[in-house]
Amino acid sequence: KQEVTQIPAALSVPEGENLVLNCSFTDSAIYNLQWFRQDPGKGLTSLLLIQSSQREQTSGRLNASLDKSSGRSTLYIAASQPGDSATYLCAVRGNTDKLIFGTGTRLQVFP
Amino acid sequence: DAGVIQSPRHEVTEMGQEVTLRCKPISGHDYLFWYRQTMMRGLELLIYFNNNVPIDDSGMPEDRFSAKMPNASFSTLKIQPSEPRDSAVYFCASNQGYSNQPQHFGDGTRLSIL
Repeated sequence: KQEVTQIPAALSVPEGENLVLNCSFTDSAIYNLQWFRQDPGKGLTSLLLIQSSQREQTSGRLNASLDKSSGRSTLYIAASQPGDSATYLCAVRGNTDKLIFGTGTRLQVFP
Repeated sequence: DAGVIQSPRHEVTEMGQEVTLRCKPISGHDYLFWYRQTMMRGLELLIYFNNNVPIDDSGMPEDRFSAKMPNASFSTLKIQPSEPRDSAVYFCASNQGYSNQPQHFGDGTRLSIL
């Protein structure tokens, strides 16, 4: 059974810092991995999707990497801003056609 | 693009009542997903449809839960009878194709069963 873990569970940093959020999964047989952002009272917004054949994806200040063999992904946020404050979730899709979500990292960036 | 639209945004009802949650996916999307989010269990997939046909309902917790998709632009999730442990935020999501496209989520329905 696929299990997805995210560390840390919560993070509070001053504005401007570069951040790394971690995601690990137990079954390396995945089709893709997605990173989402969730703001309070809102749904999830897809940030980046990495196919199993890819090593990384970039969008603006965000960079996600994937090491399928070791069951790990990282989300790198450069030059963090207060507007980045949200919960970040990773999710993997395996051969069951389901997205399995981690429990998220709650990020707070203070001015 | 209006995004995935869910209604109602909030629902408070008494135990035993029937609850119906509604979802309008993004036009042109052929996959629709229903999730439930709680503090204890995180985000769980309940059921998903492809071209209006239920593909996998193994996440539906009990027979009290049912979902339908009568056409490409509308889906419902029904709980009858409702129980306090059903209290959660229910999300609907859709995408076009499945394997390599991100899912688009609605803002959810916050359900409280008293």
